[in-house]
Amino acid sequence: NAGVTQTPKFRVLKTGQSMTLLCAQDMNHEYMYWYRQDPGMGLRLIHYSVGEGTTAKGEVPDGYNVSRLKKQNFLLGLESAAPSQTSVYFCASSRDRASGANVLTFGAGSRLTVL
Amino acid sequence: AQSVTQLGSHVSVSEGALVLLRCNYSSSVPPYLFWYVQYPNQGLQLLLKYTSAATLVKGINGFEAEFKKSETSFHLTKPSAHMSDAAEYFCAVRVRMDSSYKLIFGSGTRLLVRP
Repeated sequence: NAGVTQTPKFRVLKTGQSMTLLCAQDMNHEYMYWYRQDPGMGLRLIHYSVGEGTTAKGEVPDGYNVSRLKKQNFLLGLESAAPSQTSVYFCASSRDRASGANVLTFGAGSRLTVL
Repeated sequence: AQSVTQLGSHVSVSEGALVLLRCNYSSSVPPYLFWYVQYPNQGLQLLLKYTSAATLVKGINGFEAEFKKSETSFHLTKPSAHMSDAAEYFCAVRVRMDSSYKLIFGSGTRLLVRP
């Protein structure tokens, strides 16, 4: 059981380039999330999805787009990367709201550097 | 607005000593509270959760936390630190988000364990 898998694990971009981070989960979870982690700031929610075909903005959505075309996948896109987007990105998933308590399962992270 | 505050970005203890990591919350409704642990180069893992049942919550690896409404606290403790406990610890609170919920994380506390 792989849980939550993120690809790629590392990426270096130049300012203005675009890229997509892929998150895949094999637990049949309804909810999926993208967080960014920056030193001294904990984790901040970028976008989330409560089911296939739905997405919504989190706390820091600017400069990012997401898609959830399949239940098991949640893609995070950067259309024009900026140095401020240098961060470690974490994908997480959880069962539906009725299951309660929002226990998140996290991926191992994707470290992105924008030069 | 609901939030959590972690006091101390770094805590250092000797192996075998008591571990105490502090978390205070702000919430206008009965909170659901969580502690997650992040080992180097890994994603976050759930340590324990409080969901309005018993105020003393036991988690994995010998950790426990006590919910104290009068002090708005949810401090994490372990009687005897082990070298393998060295990691970063995050407190989180569940908040309402449209028709769903999200977790708001604190800024994290890095635990160092001295031999």
